[in-house]
Amino acid sequence: EMQLVESGGGSVQPGGSLRLSCTASGFTFSNYWFHWVRQAPGKGLVWVSRVKGDGTDASFADSVTGRFTITTDDAKNTVYVQMNSLRAEDTAVYHCVRGGQIGSYDPNVFDYWGQGTLVTVSS
Amino acid sequence: QSALTQPASVSGSPGQSITISCTGTSSDVGGYNFVSWYQQHPGKVPKVMIYDVANRPSGVSNRFSGSKSGNTASLTISGLQAEDEADYYCSSYTSSHTVVFGGGTKLTVL
Repeated sequence: EMQLVESGGGSVQPGGSLRLSCTASGFTFSNYWFHWVRQAPGKGLVWVSRVKGDGTDASFADSVTGRFTITTDDAKNTVYVQMNSLRAEDTAVYHCVRGGQIGSYDPNVFDYWGQGTLVTVSS
Repeated sequence: QSALTQPASVSGSPGQSITISCTGTSSDVGGYNFVSWYQQHPGKVPKVMIYDVANRPSGVSNRFSGSKSGNTASLTISGLQAEDEADYYCSSYTSSHTVVFGGGTKLTVL
């Protein structure tokens, strides 16, 4: 069974840091793109970042560029997002999402979603 | 990276057809055939309904169809059913090698 399980969320003060993890199972990790998508309570979906399973070709939304980094550990089938200089507007549920296969026509089709981990930034 | 523009809400009666629009720019929707549509029921994770403008994943009803003209993509749901009531989001690849979502559309089945 294909699964994505996030962890690492919690409450943090403005300016603080958190590292979210996403562990994948049920498919070959290194063959896929991975994305982070966030959703503030009662709000819409917002794309945050993406990376290949081998940790290359990362990109970020303008709103998090310079504050977030994304890495992978294919030995652990895990994607990480390091979030620094957190702001109140970063408060959201963060979903890890599987994109397309590396080399596929469209790597940005989100077919499997984790349940998400809640990040709350508040003083 | 401005969000794609979707109507906040649409509604229709059972059996009718509705269309949800998704307007972007030549740097996203208009520039690539990489538009997807997602359905999200309350408390659930999103589910892909259409990808690459008009393709349906296995298992998605053929009542769902997608199209694109210029900078605007559209999702059409025919033969509306009560279970179609949900939030719908479009997304597109962009020229900045990023992805952008629409603001979401709440579909109400009357």
